[in-house]
Amino acid sequence: DARVTQTPRHKVTEMGQEVTMRCQPILGHNTVFWYRQTMMQGLELLAYFRNRAPLDDSGMPKDRFSAEMPDATLATLKIQPSEPRDSAVYFCASGLIYTEAFFGQGTRLTVV
Amino acid sequence: AQSVTQPDIHITVSEGASLELRCNYSYGATPYLFWYVQSPGQGLQLLLKYFSGDTLVQGIKGFEAEFKRSQSSFNLRKPSVHWSDAAEYFCAVVKGDDKIIFGKGTRLHILP
Repeated sequence: DARVTQTPRHKVTEMGQEVTMRCQPILGHNTVFWYRQTMMQGLELLAYFRNRAPLDDSGMPKDRFSAEMPDATLATLKIQPSEPRDSAVYFCASGLIYTEAFFGQGTRLTVV
Repeated sequence: AQSVTQPDIHITVSEGASLELRCNYSYGATPYLFWYVQSPGQGLQLLLKYFSGDTLVQGIKGFEAEFKRSQSSFNLRKPSVHWSDAAEYFCAVVKGDDKIIFGKGTRLHILP
């Protein structure tokens, strides 16, 4: 059963520390999305990639967030330095062009 | 500008009653539309999708949705809800550049 895998599932870190979240998209999918979910803002699109190239990262705070796809099986989202307002659930999703996205279980990040 | 509006933040229905969750979108061309469901602590699962053709689409778990271009709506329906349907429901639309944008969600509560 193909699925999007995200690690870690939970992360608690201190303010100022670097946080790296990882995502393994479904094999064969050429589009990867990163979303952030909070009570106040709902699901916000942070960035997305097509064939490993970033298409749009306008939803990300550029000074502290970065997203990459080192290869087709791995997408990463880094926050450096982390702040309490970054506490949220971060979702990775993958899909093909103009089709639905398949979501991972999310990484719940708490910055204290 | 692209947007998805779910006007109801919370909806409460009795078990066995019918359900309709509203979704309105703003988009110039024929949209690609989705409904997703999220159970607590889980990722999002696709319920159904509309790309073209028949405006009444059937999904999983007994859900259906109707695309109405004249009203810019894509409302989700179920004739008889079950306690297990309690969750948060998200409407989403694909923009021309293949971004998937989500509404704020509607939380469904089921009364026994």
